[in-house]
Amino acid sequence: DAKTTQPNSMESNEEEPVHLPCNHSTISGTDYIHWYRQLPSQGPEYVIHGLTSNVNNRMASLAIAEDRKSSTLILHRATLRDAAVYYCILKSSPGSYQLTFGKGTKLSVIP
Amino acid sequence: GAVVSQHPSRVICKSGTSVKIECRSLDFQATTMFWYRQFPKQSLMLMATSNEGSKATYEQGVEKDKFLINHASLTLSTLTVTSAHPEDSSFYICSASSWFSYEQYFGPGTRLTVT
Repeated sequence: DAKTTQPNSMESNEEEPVHLPCNHSTISGTDYIHWYRQLPSQGPEYVIHGLTSNVNNRMASLAIAEDRKSSTLILHRATLRDAAVYYCILKSSPGSYQLTFGKGTKLSVIP
Repeated sequence: GAVVSQHPSRVICKSGTSVKIECRSLDFQATTMFWYRQFPKQSLMLMATSNEGSKATYEQGVEKDKFLINHASLTLSTLTVTSAHPEDSSFYICSASSWFSYEQYFGPGTRLTVT
């Protein structure tokens, strides 16, 4: 599986935008970029995914570089509830294939 | 999104006993379920993948005779930790997916403490 690299931790002030980067220089043409997050003492939850085009949903936006070697998860207005570990994961198939979790980025939100 | 439940949420057991953890997909049929383990301050590590009606596929280093997985229906998978020891104390998380889904749905996790 292609590897992703994320900063260990980031901080953001409440109600400000947050840009969480992910590098994946060895991404293959069929790899989708998935983002999950894990709140303290909970199971992970899906945030967003994309292949080539930028994607938006109610939780976040995903900006994918033109060469697909990096991507950025954007939280438009961070809230205290967004404090979590965010994982950037590459997956070549939908649904039934396992996710390989790296260390992720621990996001702290400062009130 | 779909809901996955786990039971129990917390369990404390004595060394040498066995513990069963249930994972249920409440509103969809999960063709595949996954079991993960997470030690404090570490990331999730996949233990095994199970398809309904088939034997589970275990990751390297995970003892299949110690961690028994049953996926008897499209909505239920169980993980039994046999002869538990203190080093098995961890946060166990299941997830469920279907072949047509781009998303995995995770349970809330079960915190196992072996004394």
